[in-house]
Amino acid sequence: EPEVTQTPSHQVTQMGQEVILRCVPISNHLYFYWYRQILGQKVEFLVSFYNNEISEKSEIFDDQFSVERPDGSNFTLKIRSTKLEDSAMYFCASTKEQGNEAFFGQGTRLTVV
Amino acid sequence: RKEVEQDPGPFNVPEGATVAFNCTYSNSASQSFFWYRQDCRKEPKLLMSVYSSGNEDGRFTAQLNRASQYISLLIRDSKLSDSATYLCVVCLMDSNYQLIWGAGTKLIIKP
Repeated sequence: EPEVTQTPSHQVTQMGQEVILRCVPISNHLYFYWYRQILGQKVEFLVSFYNNEISEKSEIFDDQFSVERPDGSNFTLKIRSTKLEDSAMYFCASTKEQGNEAFFGQGTRLTVV
Repeated sequence: RKEVEQDPGPFNVPEGATVAFNCTYSNSASQSFFWYRQDCRKEPKLLMSVYSSGNEDGRFTAQLNRASQYISLLIRDSKLSDSATYLCVVCLMDSNYQLIWGAGTKLIIKP
């Protein structure tokens, strides 16, 4: 069964460092998303991406964040200068069409120290 | 008012019992509805989509009430493995089909 894959599964980084989280969405899906979930809290939308551009982003997705799809398969989330409060699980998701169910990767646990 | 609201629980339910929880949403432009389950420290996994006519998948039944703006999930003959957090998700057509998540309802099935 096709699945969304994310790497790494766990990333520890020092405050102020840049991190890149990687995702390979399901191959015939067209819409891609990043979410985060701080431990014990709700899933929060970060950004959606379609046709090589951002279609929607939340207030959380400030100038420190960026996304790109450099090679037609990987979908990456970059955090330019990490802060302690960026520590969370980051989930990538994809959907075939808008409004369809989203399928999630297993997440990257980011720990900023 | 929160866009998607769920009772956080926890619901402590004996094995074999039937349990139901609701989720209310505030935006009438909501287009699609889903129930996801999330185990501790794992990714959300789609449980079922919720259709206007209601739908059933084995022991799970989902209902949508557009007039009152809520969706429900019923679990019959609950199993220990049903213990998880159940997340209600609403897709907003007028917000570029953004998925809005409830905070989840925690379910604990006890032997």
